Amino acid sequence: DVKVTQSSRYLVKRTGEKVFLECVQDMDHENMFWYRQDPGLGLRLIYFSYDVKMKEKGDIPEGYSVSREKKERFSLILESASTNQTSMYLCASTYRVREKLFFGSGTQLSVL
Amino acid sequence: AQKITQTQPGMFVQEKEAVTLDCTYDTSDPSYGLFWYKQPSSGEMIFLIYQGSYDQQNATEGRYSLNFQKARKSANLVISASQLGDSAMYFCAMRGPRTDNNDMRFGAGTRLTVKP
Repeated sequence: DVKVTQSSRYLVKRTGEKVFLECVQDMDHENMFWYRQDPGLGLRLIYFSYDVKMKEKGDIPEGYSVSREKKERFSLILESASTNQTSMYLCASTYRVREKLFFGSGTQLSVL
Repeated sequence: AQKITQTQPGMFVQEKEAVTLDCTYDTSDPSYGLFWYKQPSSGEMIFLIYQGSYDQQNATEGRYSLNFQKARKSANLVISASQLGDSAMYFCAMRGPRTDNNDMRFGAGTRLTVKP
């Protein structure tokens, strides 16, 4: 089975801190995604990557950056966390761009 | 731009009955894929069913079926014989051509509660 692992299930950070959310997949998938999920808004795409060192902005990239140095790992970076970035963050991967996504369990981030 | 709409924030169904979760979409692309995902309280997103825009028949996966009405741009999920374990958030999603920057767009979700 495909496994997408997010490093933390719950995370509490302070305003202004630099935050790293890590995601690792074990199925050699080319494509990886970061979403944030907020009640009433569904999932919104932050960034995605279709190859190592490649990245594209999604709907809401402001305040975020990403890093993909290795195929299996896709990191989401909050350069200076703000309270409006308190949210559930979901990582996903897929082999082909148009196939279904495999999701991690999510990281609930609280910025105080 | 593509858009997915789920108009039912919450739904209730009696155990063993069928339930339909609504999803409408908007796209000008002829080629697209429609997905339904389930998210239980654990938080993980679970893929349920897929319908391609060129598929002639409605997709089915066990107790799940997708009522695909292309002209109406709707892709409703039908769950037959509901079980208590079906209580969860359900998300409809659409994937368009690769030229679109946003590979998968999601609706706001519907929270389904199955009553014993």
